[in-house]
Amino acid sequence: QKEVEQNSGPLSVPEGAIASLNCTYSDRGSQSFFWYRQYSGKSPELIMFIYSNGDKEDGRFTAQLNKASQYVSLLIRDSQPSDSATYLCAVPGSSNTGKLIFGQGTTLQVKP
Amino acid sequence: GAVVSQHPSWVICKSGTSVKIECRSLDFQATTMFWYRQFPKQSLMLMATSNEGSKATYEQGVEKDKFLINHASLTLSTLTVTSAHPEDSSFYICSASWLGNTEAFFGQGTRLTVV
Repeated sequence: QKEVEQNSGPLSVPEGAIASLNCTYSDRGSQSFFWYRQYSGKSPELIMFIYSNGDKEDGRFTAQLNKASQYVSLLIRDSQPSDSATYLCAVPGSSNTGKLIFGQGTTLQVKP
Repeated sequence: GAVVSQHPSWVICKSGTSVKIECRSLDFQATTMFWYRQFPKQSLMLMATSNEGSKATYEQGVEKDKFLINHASLTLSTLTVTSAHPEDSSFYICSASWLGNTEAFFGQGTRLTVV
């Protein structure tokens, strides 16, 4: 059974700071990793996905993957109050089907 | 991008009645759809995988006779919560994808309240 672990938080950062969200996964064979943002009462929306070791940047977001340590993180630069949400890390439950196994999510609070 | 529409967005029903939730892929053919349930302050838990034209595969602990899933076409899957009880009150979310694709596309979710 694949598992994805996240610290539930809340993680509180001041506006303009860097928020760092972490995720570990149990299946060493996992090949792709997804970060979703979920606002209260809404469905998750995809922020980024990463397949290769190292960093992947998209605007204020950077995903970092370390397969040897089975660790993936999401950095949010210049955090804004609108970034306040729950961030979910996910790995595929099986190859190439769209099935996802989610972590419990980390709640981020960005304070003005 | 791929669009998935879920309906209704919220529903209130009486205990003992059944509720049907629809999940439609609007601009692609969804060979596979997934149904998740999310309780407050918890993560999404996969309930079942629905493949077009075949029986759904349920996750351990999910009652297949209570949560009926139909995926009769490549653009529509339905989840029927039968004989609903207050403990079934939750946020139900569908996602859809196609063969060979790892990414999934989510519907807007349905807030079910059983009174």
